[in-house]
Amino acid sequence: QVQLQESGPGLVKPSQTLSLTCTVSGGSISSGSYYWSWIRQPAGKGLEWIGRIYTSGSTNYNPSLKSRVTISVDTSKNQFSLKLSSVTAADTAVYYCARNSYGFLYFDYWGQGTLVTVSS
Amino acid sequence: QSALTQPASVSGSPGQSITISCTGTSSDVGGYNYVSWYQQHPGKAPKLMIYDVSNRPSGVSNRFSGSKSGNTASLTISGLQAEDEADYYCSSYTSSSTYVFGTGTRVSVL
Repeated sequence: QVQLQESGPGLVKPSQTLSLTCTVSGGSISSGSYYWSWIRQPAGKGLEWIGRIYTSGSTNYNPSLKSRVTISVDTSKNQFSLKLSSVTAADTAVYYCARNSYGFLYFDYWGQGTLVTVSS
Repeated sequence: QSALTQPASVSGSPGQSITISCTGTSSDVGGYNYVSWYQQHPGKAPKLMIYDVSNRPSGVSNRFSGSKSGNTASLTISGLQAEDEADYYCSSYTSSSTYVFGTGTRVSVL
């Protein structure tokens, strides 16, 4: 059974870079053909897809965040990461990592989510 | 990309059926049969309920069903139960190789 777990600082100062990691257990991040995504949800609001990385390392990003987002994968640690630069209070949200299989365009496994607050 | 449009809230009595709509464009909902639906209880991660418009993952009750017509997808919950009270989000793959979610619908069981 695949499990995903987000980790990272819960508090980030405005204008700084938000960095989160998603650790995958129950399977190798590089085995099979999978996309690994980041999705966020401000308190009381809806879900927003941030971007994804394929097992090969290719990426796709939400156009509205593309200039500030970098998603990378570390196969040696079975992890993938999110970096969001120049954050503001509007980036305060619960951040989820999720998986979809190649050719299957839905998210079947999700992490539990981690709250990141942007505040000085 | 703009969020898909869903009604803010839908309610029904136990045993009744309700339908949640999800309206997009020809670049997302209307262009692909890649609409999925997620259920989210407070403080929990979303759970996949329907994928590829009308398919149910193993373990999801057959009271949940999905359909699509043009740029609008729908989720129907039949035989409404108290445990169905939650937020529901649709999602679609897009022509830009990205994903877009719906605005979300709060389902209340009266």
